[in-house]
Amino acid sequence: DQQVKQNSPSLSVQEGRISILNCDYTNSMFDYFLWYKKYPAEGPTFLISISSIKDKNEDGRFTVFLNKSAKHLSLHIVPSQPGDSAVYFCAASSNTGKLIFGQGTTLQVKP
Amino acid sequence: KAGVTQTPRYLIKTRGQQVTLSCSPISGHRSVSWYQQTPGQGLQFLFEYFSETQRNKGNFPGRFSGRQFSNSRSEMNVSTLELGDSALYLCASSLAVGVIYEQYFGPGTRLTVT
Repeated sequence: DQQVKQNSPSLSVQEGRISILNCDYTNSMFDYFLWYKKYPAEGPTFLISISSIKDKNEDGRFTVFLNKSAKHLSLHIVPSQPGDSAVYFCAASSNTGKLIFGQGTTLQVKP
Repeated sequence: KAGVTQTPRYLIKTRGQQVTLSCSPISGHRSVSWYQQTPGQGLQFLFEYFSETQRNKGNFPGRFSGRQFSNSRSEMNVSTLELGDSALYLCASSLAVGVIYEQYFGPGTRLTVT
């Protein structure tokens, strides 16, 4: 069973606009959530994270929102830049120490 | 500081063969985790090693195994390869177990099974 789901395989936005990437989870024991970005031929790189005791975390152009009641988190990128074009993975962890990843969303930012 | 390195970067094997992949973590990092990435499945956790001991294991068959050496370098082995094992295998290192947000990934080994 897929405990972390990214239901949109791809997203295309115009440069300068907002990109919103979504992620849903099913396990209420998850207490830490992360977003990773992956370019082709490279490993994923950590982008931003949020603890379950918060509902928002901001880092520059990147903001992650967590809605625990809906078991939903989203990553907002404002403004989007062509260099943001990549595959974005959300991931969740609990006290088991394992990182559970979603399937990934490919973001394309058009100039 | 050198990043996580994985060798080989590309590998082609036939069904039934076995394969060994290698991962060298960032200097000073003692925890190494392995993931399998396939289209539509995202990254799936295989196992994590710390101080030469397996600390965590994902839901993969026993054909998938790993080990870690005293210098923290890690290898994973897949025996009796199946077509479905074709994937990108990623290794990640961190200072210690549980420091998830400080995991650093290598570029991966692309395994193709024919």
